[in-house]
Amino acid sequence: GAGVSQSPSNKVTEKGKDVELRCDPISGHTALYWYRQSLGQGLEFLIYFQGNSAPDKSGLPSDRFSAERTGGSVSTLTIQRTQQEDSAVYLCASSLSGGVGDTQYFGPGTRLTVL
Amino acid sequence: QQQAKQSPQSLIVQKGGISIINCAYENTAFDYFPWYQQFPGKGPALLIAIRPDVSEKKEGRFTISFNKSAKQFSLHIMDSQPGDSATYFCAASSSLRGSYIPTFGRGTSLIVHP
Repeated sequence: GAGVSQSPSNKVTEKGKDVELRCDPISGHTALYWYRQSLGQGLEFLIYFQGNSAPDKSGLPSDRFSAERTGGSVSTLTIQRTQQEDSAVYLCASSLSGGVGDTQYFGPGTRLTVL
Repeated sequence: QQQAKQSPQSLIVQKGGISIINCAYENTAFDYFPWYQQFPGKGPALLIAIRPDVSEKKEGRFTISFNKSAKQFSLHIMDSQPGDSATYFCAASSSLRGSYIPTFGRGTSLIVHP
């Protein structure tokens, strides 16, 4: 079956512009996560969606970051007024139910470069 | 705040050797400890995971050793192969939070020379 897909694979934007990153999780997975991966910094949790529950936004670094998940499937991460420090690889992952021990399946990521 | 301290940052071993990567955590509520493997241009993939009720778990050439009292766990790759060259991340999470949102280490870049 298809894995987690993300688009675009690469995005170059100018400082101050808004960007949208898309994630298509594995079909049937109710949990969806967004992470940011900066060089040498590991994976930084951003936001978590589980079914119809309110998302856990505790990892979003500023109010310029937002995300939504439509119909319990596709998710979009939006970064407004991008800054150079936003440059990173943004990873999306999904799991069957979001419980501890549930395997997270990661997409290939979107590499964002802010000039 | 880094809650999973991973070492070393990089590791070079010869083919057939043993690769050892360590991870230390602080939160005693953590009860699930996975290791992820990431190849360039790909997302991380779960490699092996352990819960604190056992001290060791082995899957093929990969072994996790867990020391609850020291709050440390390590990944051992036996008979390392060039195809194992990748970045490895440890992670830790707590079921008390009600959801699996792991804390990741900063990663170890492993190079296995042929």
